[in-house]
Amino acid sequence: GEDVEQSLFLSVREGDSSVINCTYTDSSSTYLYWYKQEPGAGLQLLTYIFSNMDMKQDQRLTVLLNKKDKHLSLRIADTQTGDSAIYFCAERGGFQKLVFGTGTRLLVSP
Amino acid sequence: ETGVTQSPTHLIKTRGQQVTLRCSSQSGHNTVSWYQQALGQGPQFIFQYYREEENGRGNFPPRFSGLQFPNYSSELNVNALELDDSALYLCASSLETQRADTQYFGPGTRLTVL
Repeated sequence: GEDVEQSLFLSVREGDSSVINCTYTDSSSTYLYWYKQEPGAGLQLLTYIFSNMDMKQDQRLTVLLNKKDKHLSLRIADTQTGDSAIYFCAERGGFQKLVFGTGTRLLVSP
Repeated sequence: ETGVTQSPTHLIKTRGQQVTLRCSSQSGHNTVSWYQQALGQGPQFIFQYYREEENGRGNFPPRFSGLQFPNYSSELNVNALELDDSALYLCASSLETQRADTQYFGPGTRLTVL
């Protein structure tokens, strides 16, 4: 079946790196995604990775994929207060739907 | 700015009523998906429409129905509202031919059922 798990909360100081982790269960997932949701807003696509890749870097964001362990992580370098939000990892399931985790709330303190 | 718009922004209904939510897809996108996001949860897939036909459905009862129009805008209809239907309803558009099928989300409609 399809299930995505994330830790609920992460707190970091401004300027530090943040690492948000996710585990998924569907080994047939072809794409995995990271979305950001700010209070009262919809979901903003941050990045995605194809399942045959190990790593993808996009400016301050680095995505690491361990397909053997079904583990995905998002590293945000030089975290800023504007990065405070809820981060969702999602896998692409059947019918091209997205299966989301419960989200990790990132709090960045000055 | 994704270009996906939704209306209304907020809505309050009472149990048993019916509601229609609207979504305008990003220009050039032919696929729309609807998700329900309960408070403190991740979005749950309701269904997807591709070229005006339902293309897949999640674990939601038949009182959740949808439409996609020739201009690729879409509606989500919910009949016989229940208290548990209170949630943020998100639509997402995508271009089916894109390999990553990247879905771009609108700001959502917050539905409160009293």
